[in-house]
Amino acid sequence: AQSVTQLGSHVSVSEGALVLLRCNYSSSVPPYLFWYVQYPNQGLQLLLKYTSAATLVKGINGFEAEFKKSETSFHLTKPSAHMSDAAEYFCAVTSGAGSYQLTFGKGTKLSVIP
Amino acid sequence: NAGVTQTPKFQVLKTGQSMTLQCAQDMNHNSMYWYRQDPGMGLRLIYYSASEGTTDKGEVPNGYNVSRLNKREFSLRLESAAPSQTSVYFCASSSDRGPWEQYFGPGTRLTVT
Repeated sequence: AQSVTQLGSHVSVSEGALVLLRCNYSSSVPPYLFWYVQYPNQGLQLLLKYTSAATLVKGINGFEAEFKKSETSFHLTKPSAHMSDAAEYFCAVTSGAGSYQLTFGKGTKLSVIP
Repeated sequence: NAGVTQTPKFQVLKTGQSMTLQCAQDMNHNSMYWYRQDPGMGLRLIYYSASEGTTDKGEVPNGYNVSRLNKREFSLRLESAAPSQTSVYFCASSSDRGPWEQYFGPGTRLTVT
């Protein structure tokens, strides 16, 4: 079974600083990978997805993620944090070859300090 | 194009009461899902439906039942609510073709006293 590990349940950054949220997955086959964002009292919104077309994936709101097969990682970055980035972020991976189910990480709550 | 809609947004139940959470999607997706979200636990899959007429258990199905009413609608029923079912419930849908990204509704916040 797939598993997703998000390092750090809480991350704090200063406004304007680099955002780095870590995600590692276990997979025996090339997966599809996703990052979702959840603002307070809202549902999850797709931020970006990796589908093997390119290892560096750009998403909405200036976020990007790099797929590194050798490290089984898919870390999320943003060069300069904005107050509006404060939210919870979830990494997810397809559960296996040909599978439509997703396995989610436990989430990382990002706080942005003014 | 509303995406995924859920009703109600909030609900308070007493232990032992029953209720049905409604979900509908207008994206012509075949697959639909019910999750619960609890602090520190991420999202846990309760039930899913790969297509109209089929449903399967997920990670935490005990205490729940589902109905895939038609292609658009997928409901979740709590027959006898328990305090342990206090949670935020999300419905999601996805295409049956890769990469299978899921689209989420706004959630139902349920409290069982």
